[in-house]
Amino acid sequence: DIQMTQSPSTLSASIGDRVTITCRASQSISSWLAWYQQKPGKAPKLLIYKASSLESGVPSRFSGSGSGTEFTLTISSLQPDDFATYYCQQYNTYSPWTFGQGTKVEIK
Amino acid sequence: QVQLQESGPGLVKPSETLSLNCTVSGGSFSDYYWSWIRQTPGKGLEWIGYIYYSGSTNYNPSLKSRVTISIDTSKNQFSLTLSSVTAADTAVYYCARVAVPGLDYWGQGTLVTVSS
Repeated sequence: DIQMTQSPSTLSASIGDRVTITCRASQSISSWLAWYQQKPGKAPKLLIYKASSLESGVPSRFSGSGSGTEFTLTISSLQPDDFATYYCQQYNTYSPWTFGQGTKVEIK
Repeated sequence: QVQLQESGPGLVKPSETLSLNCTVSGGSFSDYYWSWIRQTPGKGLEWIGYIYYSGSTNYNPSLKSRVTISIDTSKNQFSLTLSSVTAADTAVYYCARVAVPGLDYWGQGTLVTVSS
């Protein structure tokens, strides 16, 4: 299976900060990567697909980049609604889909 | 607006079979793949498998020997069965729609506890 490793596991930030989360794949997944946001007691919500495409309705302060094995999710200016846990997921066709372990964004 | 709703027992005894349904409303049912995912505090999010409306399936190899996903297009419903459950199968189970972008619509999730 392709292992997805996120860093950091927890991130403390303030409103207005620029936040970057990294996701590394154990082998190349081209651009078959999605990012999700999850709040306590809720299902994950799709934010970014194909590494850098913004899902409809998602604020433009969210952006994704990368290809191959290294990917980033950036929040350009952290808002109160953004405190949550973020997951990356690879959906390579020839491998079981796997998720990163999550990055919790907390209030500093 | 596409909505998914999981249903099924919240408590299953060890060694028995877990069965869940996911009912889909709104949008097209036949143009998509449909997936099950589970989440535990220890292992995080784990993809279980998906099914196409035609009935073709793809399962996570780690669960393949115990998992069956089926579909009933007349009811806009797909189902999960997981046999020979243990405490390690205790999790929140989600159903979700698979779109080209990814898992774009999710159910609210249902907690299934494996305990005698």
